[in-house]
Amino acid sequence: AQSVTQLGSHVSVSEGALVLLRCNYSSSVPPYLFWYVQYPNQGLQLLLKYTSAATLVKGINGFEAEFKKSETSFHLTKPSAHMSDAAEYFCAVSSLGAGSYQLTFGKGTKLSVIP
Amino acid sequence: DTGVSQNPRHKITKRGQNVTFRCDPISEHNRLYWYRQTLGQGPEFLTYFQNEAQLEKSRLLSDRFSAERPKGSFSTLEIQRTEQGDSAMYLCASSTGTSGMYNEQFFGPGTRLTVL
Repeated sequence: AQSVTQLGSHVSVSEGALVLLRCNYSSSVPPYLFWYVQYPNQGLQLLLKYTSAATLVKGINGFEAEFKKSETSFHLTKPSAHMSDAAEYFCAVSSLGAGSYQLTFGKGTKLSVIP
Repeated sequence: DTGVSQNPRHKITKRGQNVTFRCDPISEHNRLYWYRQTLGQGPEFLTYFQNEAQLEKSRLLSDRFSAERPKGSFSTLEIQRTEQGDSAMYLCASSTGTSGMYNEQFFGPGTRLTVL
């Protein structure tokens, strides 16, 4: 079975500061990992994905994440926060390795950006 | 590309009533997924279709819930005898379908259900 733990339900950063959102996963098979962003009253938008190629993954809007197998982590970073980054972020793991196409999501981290 | 659409966007109902939601996937996508998202939680998988066949169902999908995709295009999710615990955002996603490969799921805006 797969699971995802996101540390910190709410993170606040100043505009221009580093964004770091933490995600740890558990998977019995090699994982596919994802970060999604959700703005209020909207669906989920894919930021980036890891599918067993390069361990450092670059996504949209300047975000990137690094897959660290030894730490079972897939933390999301952005060097400089912008006001428009304020949203909720979800880390997810695919169950494809176990024969399922469902995604298992973490509980989410709400990012606030302080001007 | 019009994206995944869901209707209605909001639904308020009284406990015990039946409700039905509709999802229209991206036109060339043969896979369709339903998720439920309650307040303060991430989305939880409910069910998945490959064309018109329902291939996976979560244990969250009680017998009051039924999903269909009759012609392999749009899908409906019906909840019978709604309970207050059914209040949530119901998300639909679609993807192309290459066997054994991960295909990106594109999400719709969701239907927010409130059961009074």
